[in-house]
Amino acid sequence: QVQLQEWGPGLVKPSETLSLTCTVSGGSISSFYWSWIRQPPGKGLEWIGYISDSGSTKYNPSFESRVTISVDTPNNQFSLKLTSVTAADTAVYYCARPQNSGTSAPVVYWGQGSLVTVSS
Amino acid sequence: DIQMTQSPSTLSASVGDSVTITCRASQSIATWLAWYQQKPGKAPKLLIYTASSLESGVPSRFSGSGSGTEFTLTISSLQPDDFATYYCQQYYTYWAFGQGTKVEIK
Repeated sequence: QVQLQEWGPGLVKPSETLSLTCTVSGGSISSFYWSWIRQPPGKGLEWIGYISDSGSTKYNPSFESRVTISVDTPNNQFSLKLTSVTAADTAVYYCARPQNSGTSAPVVYWGQGSLVTVSS
Repeated sequence: DIQMTQSPSTLSASVGDSVTITCRASQSIATWLAWYQQKPGKAPKLLIYTASSLESGVPSRFSGSGSGTEFTLTISSLQPDDFATYYCQQYYTYWAFGQGTKVEIK
């Protein structure tokens, strides 16, 4: 069974960079796309972007100027960097994987979520 | 960008009721639509994909329909475990989620 686990700082200062990593276990990172999705407290889900195992990325235009998603295939991990954060970036950040090897598929695997608070 | 709009935002119902949630896409997405259930503090759970296919292990009281720009999720005979927030998601062009519908106890 594929399992995803997010990890990284839970507190980030305004204007700094939010960094999270997702470790994939129970399966290979190869042959799939991997995504980051966030959820501000009390609000809905927001897709941030996804990356293929070969490093091809697509980002939500709302984040495109601030986001980088990268993949570390040998270590079965992928990462999120979001620059110039503000309080509006406070959210639970989920890493996720769709049902099959493409992006035209629903999400079936989710991490447990990592709360990141932006505050000085 | 494709925008997804759900209605209503909140729905009050009783155990045993049949409820329907609507999701509209800003442009045609064929049937590239999924529905998720989310409970507080938990990650979303996939219920329906390709608009009407039931995910393995999901009770048959959940059903989805629609194509193009208008979709519905119906829960027949609402059970206590069904009180949660429901999201639609298009995966036709990139990904986008609806804003959610909270199903609460009347």
